[in-house]
Amino acid sequence: DAKTTQPNSMESNEEEPVHLPCNHSTISGTDYIHWYRQLPSQGPEYVIHGLTSNVNNRMASLAIAEDRKSSTLILHRATLRDAAVYYCILSYGGTASKLTFGTGTRLQVTL
Amino acid sequence: DSGVTQTPKHLITATGQRVTLRCSPRSGDLSVYWYQQSLDQGLQFLIQYYNGEERAKGNILERFSAQQFPDLHSELNLSSLELGDSALYFCASSVGGLAGNTGELFFGEGSRLTVL
Repeated sequence: DAKTTQPNSMESNEEEPVHLPCNHSTISGTDYIHWYRQLPSQGPEYVIHGLTSNVNNRMASLAIAEDRKSSTLILHRATLRDAAVYYCILSYGGTASKLTFGTGTRLQVTL
Repeated sequence: DSGVTQTPKHLITATGQRVTLRCSPRSGDLSVYWYQQSLDQGLQFLIQYYNGEERAKGNILERFSAQQFPDLHSELNLSSLELGDSALYFCASSVGGLAGNTGELFFGEGSRLTVL
């Protein structure tokens, strides 16, 4: 199974952009890249996902390296409500039916 | 609010006992996933059902079982409970059976199980 590597923790100031990196050097051609986040005392929440092209939605942007061995989740203006654990996950090929979470990056946002 | 409902929110029981956790997926979602989150193991995938049929199995113990009913709600049964089973149990749902490439899982708020 392809694995992901994320920093254990990151800090950001409020209203600053945040770039959360994820390495996935063993990604296969059909693996999708997913990002979820888990706020304190809540279940994980979908953030964004993509395959090859960069993706944008109302929550964040996903920048995928050309060789797909790494990706970056971009929060354009961090708020205190963005403090959470962010998980970068690969799906196992085009027929994957489950998502396996790693340890994620704990993002702290300060005033 | 994700639309996924889990009950009970909290449960305290003793070792050796059996409990049932219940999950109602979002309206229209056919897949239900169960995850276990403990302090030392992180978020572990247990099992997935799609439209009543088991679709994928993860690190689910033999003491645990699950099923999805015709109305699509699901139950996770945990028996012969041990101290190490204390954890948060999350249910998630998705429209299709292939969350890996269709993207979004919707998670409930979890059921916190404490085994004393």
